[in-house]
Amino acid sequence: ILNVEQSPQSLHVQEGDSTNFTCSFPSSNFYALHWYRWETAKSPEALFVMTLNGDEKKKGRISATLNTKEGYSYLYIKGSQPEDSATYLCAFNTDKLIFGTGTRLQVFP
Amino acid sequence: GAGVSQTPSNKVTEKGKYVELRCDPISGHTALYWYRQSLGQGPEFLIYFQGTGAADDSGLPNDRFFAVRPEGSVSTLKIQRTERGDSAVYLCASRAGGASNGELFFGEGSRLTVL
Repeated sequence: ILNVEQSPQSLHVQEGDSTNFTCSFPSSNFYALHWYRWETAKSPEALFVMTLNGDEKKKGRISATLNTKEGYSYLYIKGSQPEDSATYLCAFNTDKLIFGTGTRLQVFP
Repeated sequence: GAGVSQTPSNKVTEKGKYVELRCDPISGHTALYWYRQSLGQGPEFLIYFQGTGAADDSGLPNDRFFAVRPEGSVSTLKIQRTERGDSAVYLCASRAGGASNGELFFGEGSRLTVL
C-alpha cells in the first residue's frame, strides 16, 4: 500500500509570516509528485507537478522543492496572505494520484 | 462549460436508498477519476477510466459502488443501498489522455449525506 504523508495537519499563521509544509512519499518507482490547493467550497486546483529530483518550482509567493531519493517535497509560502487560507494536498502519481491527508492552513489578518 | 461539472452539488438521502452522482469532464479529456473525501482525510481513490473502460477500479470499497462511462465522456457513480458511512464529498477529475503525469482538473464535488 502506497503511503503519502503530510505534516503538519494544520497550521495557523499571521499575515506576512512565511511558512512551509512537508509531503513524504515512497522513494521507489517515482513518476511525479503533485501539489494542489483546495479552498473551501471550491474545486482542488493544481499548483505544481514535479518530476525531476532537485526540481524547484515557483508560482508567485509559493514555491516547492522535490527530493525523490529520500522521498519528500516541501511547499513554501512567502509572506502569507489571508487568501492563502486553504488545504494544501500533495499526491504521488502512479497511474492514479494517491493523496496525502493535506495541511490545512489558516492565515489571520 | 470549460471546467469539470458535477451534479448534484448536494444530496441528502436515507439509509438504504440508491444514489447516482454525475460527472461531466473537460471536453476531450480521455482520463476520468472518481475520488471520495471524508472529514479529516485526503481524497481517496475510487476508480479511473481511460476512455469508456475502467482502467483501475481497485478503490471501490464494495459491490454497492459502481461507475460507468458509456460514451467516454460523462460518467455516473452509482451507490446502492446507501449506508451512513458513505457520507462524504465525491470528487470527479479529468486529465488529458496523453499526459499521464499531467495535472488533474477537479469538479467542485458532490456532497452526499446519508441519514
